[in-house]
Parts: sequence; C-alpha cells; structure tokens
Amino acid sequence: QVQLVESGGGVVQPGRSLRLSCAASGFTFSSYGMHWVRQAPGKGLEWVAVISYDGINKYYADSVKGRFTISRDNSKNTLYLQMNSLRAEDTAVFYCAKVKASGWYLWDAFDIWGQGTMVTVSS
Amino acid sequence: QLVLTQSPSASASLGASVKLTCTLSSGHSSYAIAWHQQQPEKGPRYLMNLNSDGSHTKGDGIPDRFSGSSSGAERYLTISSLQSEDEADYYCQTWGTGIPVFGGGTKLTVL
Repeated sequence: QVQLVESGGGVVQPGRSLRLSCAASGFTFSSYGMHWVRQAPGKGLEWVAVISYDGINKYYADSVKGRFTISRDNSKNTLYLQMNSLRAEDTAVFYCAKVKASGWYLWDAFDIWGQGTMVTVSS
Repeated sequence: QLVLTQSPSASASLGASVKLTCTLSSGHSSYAIAWHQQQPEKGPRYLMNLNSDGSHTKGDGIPDRFSGSSSGAERYLTISSLQSEDEADYYCQTWGTGIPVFGGGTKLTVL
C-alpha cells in the first residue's frame, strides 16, 4: 500500500546536526513533489520544506532557511532532511508528506503523510 | 497575508453530526483547501480537497460520513453519524499563494 515511513529522529544537543529519512513505497516516488512538515509538542502543523519530483527545485520556511537542506534519492525512493545548527525551538515531530498531483506541482494538497519522527533538541 | 482560521474546539454526541469551519482571510476567498484528520498520537490523514464552489474529492477509503461544502470564504467539513474514532484534531490546509498554510486546528470531542 501507499506508505511513507520516517526515521532518524532522536535527542540532540543545541548546535548539533541530525538527518531525517522518509522511505516511500506503493507509488512512483520519482513523479511527485515531497514536503517536510513539523509539529511542536501540543501545537499545530508548520510547513518546513519542499522538493520537486526531480530534486531540482527546493524551498524552505524562513525559520529553517540556511540551516536545513531537503534532498531526495529517487533510486532509493527516499526523501531526506539534513538539519544543522539545531535549536531548542526545532523540537517537534517531523512528517514527510506527498503532494496530490504528479509532475512539476510543488504546491498542492498533501494526500499521503508519514507517521512522523520525533526530534528533541536539548542540552 | 493568507491565514486560515479554525475554532480551537468543537464537540458533539455519538451518532450526531458536526460541522467544522475553516475561514480564509480577506482576499483569498476563492482558494481551494484540504481537510486533514489527526487522531491522537498519529500522523495526519488526508480527508479531502474542497473547492470554492463546494465540490470536493475525498481520499481513498474516506467514509461517506465525511463531506465538504463552501460558502464565500468559509470551508466546511461535516461529519455525520459521529463515531468514537472521529475524536481527533482536524486541520485545514491551503496552498493558494504557494507555500502551504495550515489552520490552527479544531479539536473535536465526541461525547
């Protein structure tokens, strides 16, 4: 079935780095734009970053620009989020999400979500 | 600035119906949205796309009890024959100006 499974979360000290992964299955991963969305404890959803189906176009929320890098490996059906210079305010569950429309669409409804991976930034 | 406004909470009885509202900010009333459900300790689940004319497309496996409608800048999610598993947070999402924007979410309690 169509599925996204995140991994790589954990507890990390402020200023350190972490890389999240999102393994996709059940659909043609290389045909869809992909996003990362996060949710701080007890809070709502916050968009983080997007990457186009071919990995060429990438955009970031101002809160993570210059610190986070989104990438993908279509040969491995995997999405990544490299997070550097982590801050306490980055503490959240991180979700990967697939856009509904295939092709060059970056901005669309999210029709598949992962179960999330928790990132805790604390000394 | 594009903002989606949702009431923080709603409640309804088991077997009853409830209508949740998502309001688009001024100047953005024509935008389509999506509704997502997030049950406790789970990732969000896509429910449907909802257009300004009220037409909607549901995700795979979403029961007929879930429906959408629109009026002006307001987008509605109606859940009929409420069941205990409907107790969840409901988020609206839009992408009309590009970058995805989420409403603050409505916590639905099934009494």
